[in-house]
Amino acid sequence: GAVVSQHPSRVICKSGTSVKIECRSLDFQATTMFWYRQFPKQSLMLMATSNEGSKATYEQGVEKDKFLINHASLTLSTLTVTSAHPEDSSFYICSAIDYPSSYEQYFGPGTRLTVT
Amino acid sequence: AQSVTQLDSHVSVSEGTPVLLRCNYSSSYSPSLFWYVQHPNKGLQLLLKYTSAATLVKGINGFEAEFKKSETSFHLTKPSAHMSDAAEYFCVVSEWGGADGLTFGKGTHLIIQP
Repeated sequence: GAVVSQHPSRVICKSGTSVKIECRSLDFQATTMFWYRQFPKQSLMLMATSNEGSKATYEQGVEKDKFLINHASLTLSTLTVTSAHPEDSSFYICSAIDYPSSYEQYFGPGTRLTVT
Repeated sequence: AQSVTQLDSHVSVSEGTPVLLRCNYSSSYSPSLFWYVQHPNKGLQLLLKYTSAATLVKGINGFEAEFKKSETSFHLTKPSAHMSDAAEYFCVVSEWGGADGLTFGKGTHLIIQP
């Protein structure tokens, strides 16, 4: 099946700094990528949808200036958490689809962000 | 708007006994429904999906689910639990066959007793 990778798998940063998370589709072209956030022992919440070459669409309540998403190529999307604070600590998961060829989302393994 | 309710946060069964994980959904459209499994430190894996074809859907690892429109339910079952089934299970709804941002239930933690 299709493979999606995320890097880094874990990151610890200090409050006030920015951190970038990469999401890559390894063996298919991802026309659309999604970013989700998962709080400890809770469900996944959709943060934003990004289409290659377009601005991301953010869900209500997600600060677009804080969570910068770039989908510059068909295999790479990045999520940058700017001026991170401890409340941004979470598990961030991306998924990718090759729409309209396929409707199935393939998920990355996730990135654990801890802000100290 | 769409939503998913997983009726049990934890389910505990003995190895070799049946598994039932319950899910109810709400959707303004004809939804697509999915079950995903999340093992510790691993990515989400698709177990099965319903996309308006047969109402009884068979998935991987012996799991199956039945779409019941009248009850707005999509319960996940397995005849005989295995220790390796211990994981977090998510019921998910989509209005675009899975090509949109997915709406996840809160998850059910499945515990398998030896």
